[in-house]
Parts: sequence; C-alpha cells; structure tokens
Amino acid sequence: AQSVAQPEDQVNVAEGNPLTVKCTYSVSGNPYLFWYVQYPNRGLQFLLKYITGDNLVKGSYGFEAEFNKSQTSFHLKKPSALVSDSALYFCAVRDRRTGFQKLVFGTGTRLLVSP
Amino acid sequence: NAGVTQTPKFQVLKTGQSMTLQCAQDMNHNSMYWYRQDPGMGLRLIYYSASEGTTDKGEVPNGYNVSRLNKREFSLRLESAAPSQTSVYFCASSDRTGANTEAFFGQGTRLTVV
Repeated sequence: AQSVAQPEDQVNVAEGNPLTVKCTYSVSGNPYLFWYVQYPNRGLQFLLKYITGDNLVKGSYGFEAEFNKSQTSFHLKKPSALVSDSALYFCAVRDRRTGFQKLVFGTGTRLLVSP
Repeated sequence: NAGVTQTPKFQVLKTGQSMTLQCAQDMNHNSMYWYRQDPGMGLRLIYYSASEGTTDKGEVPNGYNVSRLNKREFSLRLESAAPSQTSVYFCASSDRTGANTEAFFGQGTRLTVV
C-alpha cells in the first residue's frame, strides 16, 4: 500500500538559516508527490508538487523540494527560513497503482523557526 | 470563490448520537476526500470518491458512511458517535490526474463526542 513517512516530529531552525523537512514514500511505480502547510486552526494549503519532469520543483513562499527516485525521497527545503514559516508541514503521495485516486498523507512535521 | 465549504465548523455530540458533516466544492473537481486529523497521527483518509456515484474506503472507515450526492457534494455520516471519533475532520477535492492534481481543503469541522 502507498505510504509516506516523515521521520521528524519537529524541526528547529534559526531565522535566516536553511531548512529541510524530510519525507520518504513507498508506492508502486512513479508517484505524484505533494507538500502542504497548515497554520494553527486552519485547513491545509498547497505548497508544491512533483508530477513529472525536473526533479527540483519550486513552490510557494520560496519553498522547493527535490524528488529523488533512488532514495524514494521528496525533502522540502528553503534557503533562508523566516519566523513566519513556523507551521505544520505535511507530505502526501498519490500512487499510479490505484489510478492516482487515493491521496495519502504523512504524520506531519512541526517547523519552529526562532528569531 | 468559495473553494471547499464544510459545515458545521464545530459540533459537540453525545455518545450514540448521529450526525452528518456536509462538504461542497465549486471547482468542478471529480475527486473528493474525507480525512480526520488527530495529534501525532497526521491526516488519515476515511473515505474518498473518485467520481460522482463512486466511493471507496480509506485507512480508517469504520464507524463512518459517506454519500457522493452529486459532483459538488460529499457528506460524511456518523451513525452512532463514539468518543474515539473526537477529531478534526477535513474535506478536500481535486482532479485525479493532469496538471491540477493538488487537493484543496475546507477549513475543518472540530467534533467532540462526550
């Protein structure tokens, strides 16, 4: 079955430093991969996606992610963190085997950016 | 431009009561989803609907039923609420394939079962 793992419950980084939030996945065939962000008491907001093509994808608010097929990873990155980036981040995957019908999420990683 | 609208936003139920969570989208999406969010568990898929007239179980379907009333609406029903169903529920919609496969989420329903 398709699944997503986010190995870190929380990531702490100082403002201005680069950040990485890790995600690995398990699917059959080529996946569709997504990152979402959730601010307190809000729904999820889409950040970026990988469907096909370039392994490095750029998204909203300066975030980017790199698709690595050999490592089955899709880590979220940002060159310079902002305090306002503090939020809950979710990685998600669609599996070609299920016709891309199911959208499955990881458990989330809380990002805390300190001033 | 409403996007995905969920009602109600908050609800308190007594154990054994029933209720239906409503969800509607205005983006002409084929796929719709219901998730629950619990601390430390992330978002878990309850049910999904790939198109009007079809529904499928997700990871945690027990205790829930769904109806895809039409292309716009996808409701979630709790027939006999239990305290274990206390959670925040999110509805989402998307296209399944093509360029616009990212899901759009409603603002959530915070449900407490006492």
